[in-house]
Amino acid sequence: EAQVTQNPRYLITVTGKKLTVTCSQNMNHEYMSWYRQDPGLGLRQIYYSMNVEVTDKGDVPEGYKVSRKEKRNFPLILESPSPNQTSLYFCASSLEPYSPLHFGNGTRLTVT
Amino acid sequence: DQQVKQNSPSLSVQEGRISILNCDYTNSMFDYFLWYKKYPAEGPTFLISISSIKDKNEDGRFTVFLNKSAKHLSLHIVPSQPGDSAVYFCAASGNNDMRFGAGTRLTVKP
Repeated sequence: EAQVTQNPRYLITVTGKKLTVTCSQNMNHEYMSWYRQDPGLGLRQIYYSMNVEVTDKGDVPEGYKVSRKEKRNFPLILESPSPNQTSLYFCASSLEPYSPLHFGNGTRLTVT
Repeated sequence: DQQVKQNSPSLSVQEGRISILNCDYTNSMFDYFLWYKKYPAEGPTFLISISSIKDKNEDGRFTVFLNKSAKHLSLHIVPSQPGDSAVYFCAASGNNDMRFGAGTRLTVKP
C-alpha cells in the first residue's frame, strides 16, 4: 500500500530535549516536505527536499533541521525544542514539487 | 501574510443538499489549485485540483470552480453525505511557491 509513515504519533517532551520525528515513504517520490498545522494558520511548510541530499527552508524553518540521506526517509529534528513548537506535524511526499501531496497521519508534539 | 484564505472556519449543511466551500488567494502567480480533505487523526488527502487554464473541474460529486479575475475558487459537493464531514483545505501553487488555507470544517447532518 502506498503510504507515508510518520513516527511517533504522539510525543510529549520538555524544553531543550532533542527529538527526532521520522518520516518514510514507499512511493519512490522525489519531493518530500514537512508542515506544521496550527489553529487558524493552516499548514505551514517547515522544510522541503527536492531529492537526496537537497533540502531547503520553507516558511517557518527556525528551530528545525532535516536531512535526506536516502530517497525514502526525511526525518525532522528539533535540537532544542521550545513550547512554541507545540503543534501538529505532517510529513508529505509527491512525485514532483507542487503536484498532489501524500500526507502521513501526523505527529502531535507537546513541549512543556 | 496569508496568501490563501478560507474565510469560513465552519459550515453545516443537511444531507443531500449542496455544500459550497470558498477560498480566496492574493498572489496572481498561483496557477494550480488543489483541495484536500482531512478526517480527525489522519493526514490530509488530495481531493481534486484545477489548473488556471480551466474554470471548472468535476469528479463525481465534487466540482471545483475557478474565477481567476476574482482570485477565487470554490468546491461544490452535491449531494452532500455525512461521510463528507471533515476539514477541507484549499491550496494554491505557482512560481515555486505553495500555500494552504486555514481550513473549513464541514459538518453534514443526516
